[in-house]
Amino acid sequence: DQQVKQNSPSLSVQEGRISILNCDYTNSMFDYFLWYKKYPAEGPTFLISISSIKDKNEDGRFTVFLNKSAKHLSLHIVPSQPGDSAVYFCAASVQGAQKLVFGQGTRLTINP
Amino acid sequence: ETGVTQSPTHLIKTRGQQVTLRCSSQSGHNTVSWYQQALGQGPQFIFQYYREEENGRGNFPPRFSGLQFPNYSSELNVNALELDDSALYLCASSQDRASKNIQYFGAGTRLSVL
Repeated sequence: DQQVKQNSPSLSVQEGRISILNCDYTNSMFDYFLWYKKYPAEGPTFLISISSIKDKNEDGRFTVFLNKSAKHLSLHIVPSQPGDSAVYFCAASVQGAQKLVFGQGTRLTINP
Repeated sequence: ETGVTQSPTHLIKTRGQQVTLRCSSQSGHNTVSWYQQALGQGPQFIFQYYREEENGRGNFPPRFSGLQFPNYSSELNVNALELDDSALYLCASSQDRASKNIQYFGAGTRLSVL
């Protein structure tokens, strides 16, 4: 039962353009969402999060959008840079629960 | 400020053996979570420890067990290893056990079971 899904295994974007990574979830009890970035041979690094009481959170080049009715969130990276090439995971949690539930990841490649 | 560190980085075991993986929390963090990441998948929650007590467990059998020490470092023990246990094991620490606390990850231990 995959409660958090990232349906695009990979995404290729030109440097300077916008990267949009998508994530869908099925559990309506999720109330906190996070994006992590992972380089090879490193652990996931926290990028940005959003609570279910908001529909947008922005941090520099990174913006996360949450559409609760569609159970969908997206991460926008503008402008995309070569250093953004990595695997991106979305994760969700239920208030009061301890675990993060992760999607399968999307490999983002930024082309010069 | 020291981040989350895990040891060893790589490990090779044979089926039926036992393994212990270690994790040092980030300074100031009292909660440790362990995750298993199979190839091509996202991390899956194994369990969490808060102040030396298990504080939640995922869908893993009892042969996966853990410990947290007074200095908040932690161990993951796996008994009777199976081929499917081959994966990257990630440790994450957080300031507290509340769900909105950010979890910070170590680089992981890659376990291969032959």
